[in-house]
Amino acid sequence: ETGVTQTPRHLVMGMTNKKSLKCEQHLGHNAMYWYKQSAKKPLELMFVYSLEERVENNSVPSRFSPECPNSSHLFLHLHTLQPEDSALYLCASSQFVGGNQPQHFGDGTRLSIL
Amino acid sequence: AQSVTQLDSHVSVSEGTPVLLRCNYSSSYSPSLFWYVQHPNKGLQLLLKYTSAATLVKGINGFEAEFKKSETSFHLTKPSAHMSDAAEYFCVVSLGGTGRRALTFGSGTRLQVQP
Repeated sequence: ETGVTQTPRHLVMGMTNKKSLKCEQHLGHNAMYWYKQSAKKPLELMFVYSLEERVENNSVPSRFSPECPNSSHLFLHLHTLQPEDSALYLCASSQFVGGNQPQHFGDGTRLSIL
Repeated sequence: AQSVTQLDSHVSVSEGTPVLLRCNYSSSYSPSLFWYVQHPNKGLQLLLKYTSAATLVKGINGFEAEFKKSETSFHLTKPSAHMSDAAEYFCVVSLGGTGRRALTFGSGTRLQVQP
């Protein structure tokens, strides 16, 4: 059983919809991450949170809005998305933010934009 | 700056034969290096990590990797492939120590295992 749970597993939405992705980690970690995985492209880091504080935002469009209410939960709020936003969105956590910290991943949310 | 190159986008082996997945990295500092595996419709799972201890690192499921500083390589090997090893494998590099936030992922190598 993975220590990082993502819901929903699949999401289909129109470009004008608003939806949210949820991530929960049961590992007692202090850092959480959102990644975007598109076909034929390397994994892209979107956001990093450390102890509920956003510490990195990698030039992500404002139609993606993260929220970290506590160290166990991470959300990604979506609105007015574009077809190129269709991808697998992965959440991960690690003990701390740091270069030698392995990250634990959830199984992702497969997002399709109509 | 740091970067990672996975030299093969696809590797195909027969069941029971050795596996070699190649990774070269570039880093200005002593790197931490990882291999992750991703099975279809799943997230990434850590196979093994190198953080400046022993240069030969053993991971899960019989995989191991050797850190070669002179060659800036961190190739992943397994003596005998199993059908369940078919997946995508990612080599990942990060600067050592605390304060660096991002891991740099390779573009992945898809491993096929033929019966």
